[in-house]
This record gives sequence, structure tokens and C-alpha cells, in this order.
Amino acid sequence: KAGVTQTPRYLIKTRGQQVTLSCSPISGHRSVSWYQQTPGQGLQFLFEYFSETQRNKGNFPGRFSGRQFSNSRSEMNVSTLELGDSALYLCASSLGDRERTEAFFGQGTRLTVV
Amino acid sequence: DAKTTQPPSMDCAEGRAANLPCNHSTISGNEYVYWYRQIHSQGPQYIIHGLKNNETNEMASLIITEDRKSSTLILPHATLRDTAVYYCIVRASPYNQGGKLIFGQGTELSVKP
Repeated sequence: KAGVTQTPRYLIKTRGQQVTLSCSPISGHRSVSWYQQTPGQGLQFLFEYFSETQRNKGNFPGRFSGRQFSNSRSEMNVSTLELGDSALYLCASSLGDRERTEAFFGQGTRLTVV
Repeated sequence: DAKTTQPPSMDCAEGRAANLPCNHSTISGNEYVYWYRQIHSQGPQYIIHGLKNNETNEMASLIITEDRKSSTLILPHATLRDTAVYYCIVRASPYNQGGKLIFGQGTELSVKP
């Protein structure tokens, strides 16, 4: 069974640009969550999508947005990039049901803003 | 979600049991204890979770005290590949709350030969 796939693995962007990251969850998983990891702030929750609807949202500015497609694949977008957006962006998928609640993480996308 | 407290770092000799403690004194009755670990430069990996009974799987055992104010993750025979940051997370009813996980700073476990 394939795991969570994130693309691209590495990305370099310039301040002011925008970026789109992609996450393909494990087959059958309907929940996709996004996290930002930086040395200073650690792992922080961005948002979660479940059946194409945003179910949870963390404390990030509106420049960070996401969406989920009918096949559960998800994208997150960061507009007007700032140097501080340099981070490892992780996505996690889970079944989203009552019984199986563990989340499975991808390898992440390392974003560098210059 | 209840706050958790973990030691920032621990060492363990290869082949010995690694016992990682976590305090969650403000945990409420419907909150679960989850453990994840993150090996350098990889995504976090789910290890185990429990509500009030002790749990065991192929990776580890989770011991939750009777008052549920603390727990211990046990890796029975630590190997060098278990070197990682271990996160203890307390969360209410995962189904209702969805996929949101609040990570603390975790415990950096170093397994030494």
C-alpha cells in the first residue's frame, strides 16, 4: 500500500512569489492535514480537510490556504512568500473515522524562500 | 487539548529498554494519549495511543497511570534506528476533533552503542 506522497520534495522560491504544494493521501483516507515545521516553532498545525471541506484551522495568516479534491488529494498554497515561510511542510492523512484515528505523514516538502 | 510535559532529551543503551515519560496532569476524561516519533528529516511516525488501559503493539508499549496524569512509552529493546524525537500528544475524541495534532517540543532520544 503506497504511503502519503508529497510533491515536490524541495523547492526554492523568491520573496513575494506564491507556491503550491501537493499531497496524495493513502488510498481510502479522507482526512488530510497540513503542518509547518521550523527550528524555532516546531511542528505547527495549519489546517485539515475532510471530504473536500476544511474541518480545522490553525493560527496562520490568510496567505496560507488549501483545498481538497474529490479524490482526497490536497494542495496547499502560500501567497506573497516571506523569508519566514522557509520550512518543512508536512501533510498527514487518516481515515477520519471513529475507530482508526492514527495519522500517517509524508516525507514533507522543504521550502526555501530567498 | 491538555498540555504535556516531556524531558527534552534522554539517552539509552542499545538493546536496553527505553522508557519515555510524559506528564499530562490536566488531562480530561475523554482525552486520549498519542505517541509519535520523528526521525531526522522524515515525517512523524505514529507509534501507539490509548485512553486508560495499557496498550501494546509491535513497536512499543504504553503505560498510563491509574489517575491518567502521566504515561510512559516503552521501547523494549532499543536499537540505533530508534534514535528520534518522541512526541506525546493528548487530544480529545479524535473523531470529533478530526486530524488536528498539537505537537510539543518532544523528547530527543539518543540510543548509543
